[in-house]
Amino acid sequence: SQTIHQWPATLVQPVGSPLSLECTVEGTSNPNLYWYRQAAGRGLQLLFYSVGIGQISSEVPQNLSASRPQDRQFILSSKKLLLSDSGFYLCAWSGDTQSGEKLFFGSGTQLSVL
Amino acid sequence: DQQVKQNSPSLSVQEGRISILNCDYTNSMFDYFLWYKKYPAEGPTFLISISSIKDKNEDGRFTVFLNKSAKHLSLHIVPSQPGDSAVYFCAASRTLTGNQFYFGTGTSLTVIP
Repeated sequence: SQTIHQWPATLVQPVGSPLSLECTVEGTSNPNLYWYRQAAGRGLQLLFYSVGIGQISSEVPQNLSASRPQDRQFILSSKKLLLSDSGFYLCAWSGDTQSGEKLFFGSGTQLSVL
Repeated sequence: DQQVKQNSPSLSVQEGRISILNCDYTNSMFDYFLWYKKYPAEGPTFLISISSIKDKNEDGRFTVFLNKSAKHLSLHIVPSQPGDSAVYFCAASRTLTGNQFYFGTGTSLTVIP
């Protein structure tokens, strides 16, 4: 069966520090991968998605970037965090023929930028 | 621009009664719709979905209705249970592209025992 791992679960970072969140998927190949953010009191905002290694599409221009160095690895990064980067970050995957069109989410990372 | 909207941020329902959560979308190209349930500090979990070729899909206590002409869908939970208390997100996608899922802002459901 397919599983998705996302870490860390919580992170407190000072303004101006770098960020690296990692996500890996097991049990499937060539998945579509996604990063979402849920800011306080807001919905799920799509940040990046990837249909293959090295292929990244950005939905919202911002202080963040994403990379996909391997088929089942998706990384969210920032060189210098802003206060507004605080939120709940979710990695997700889709595209396995058995899963149809559903998105499957990781457990999330609560990022607090102070 | 928010292509999927949930205009009710919160809803309270008595246990045993029906919960109705609503969702509207603006992009007529969307042809697949999903509902997710989310507890605090956890990732959303898939609940139920519907393709645009249908107007109703039922799974146990959960039923999703789709009105394409109104660009509106709703999730009915009956009977509601305290364990249903969570934030519910609707989402939409285009199966031709299959890459992007757009979510609403969520509705926080509280089922009162």
